[in-house]
Amino acid sequence: AQSVTQPDIHITVSEGASLELRCNYSYGATPYLFWYVQSPGQGLQLLLKYFSGDTLVQGIKGFEAEFKRSQSSFNLRKPSVHWSDAAEYFCAVGASGSARQLTFGSGTQLTVLP
Amino acid sequence: DADVTQTPRNRITKTGKRIMLECSQTKGHDRMYWYRQDPGLGLRLIYYSFDVKDINKGEISDGYSVSRQAQAKFSLSLESAIPNQTALYFCATSDAQGLTDTQYFGPGTRLTVL
Repeated sequence: AQSVTQPDIHITVSEGASLELRCNYSYGATPYLFWYVQSPGQGLQLLLKYFSGDTLVQGIKGFEAEFKRSQSSFNLRKPSVHWSDAAEYFCAVGASGSARQLTFGSGTQLTVLP
Repeated sequence: DADVTQTPRNRITKTGKRIMLECSQTKGHDRMYWYRQDPGLGLRLIYYSFDVKDINKGEISDGYSVSRQAQAKFSLSLESAIPNQTALYFCATSDAQGLTDTQYFGPGTRLTVL
């Protein structure tokens, strides 16, 4: 069975500072990895995804993530955080084959200080 | 217009009542999903449907039922609501592409069971 761990429940950064959100996964085959963002009162928006190929993936809103197979990680990064980035961030792993279900981590709440 | 819509957006009901949450999509996707979100637990899959004639249980289907009325419509029912079903409910859709799918989420329905 697949699983996702987001070790940081809550992270606070200052506006303009860099950001890294951690995600570790467990999956027996090639993982398909996603980062979603949930702004207050909103649904989940896809930031980026990794299926194969280049392990550094670029997404929307200036985010990127790096897949590291040896560390079973898919950390999300942004070089300079904006106040509008305050939200909850979810990492997810997708299954291949007939099921194709997503398993989500518990989320990381990001607070941005002015 | 939003691609995935959910109605109602908020609902307060009493224990024992029957509740239906509705999801409609204009993305033309075959696959639809229902998740619930609880604080600190991320999103958990309730049911999913790969086409009108295909319904599958997810991780936490007990106490819920679904109906896929058409390709674009997928409803979630709570036959007899109980307080621990208080949560944020999300509908999602995906299109079968390659080895796994990218899921797109609706805005959510906040359900409170008193």
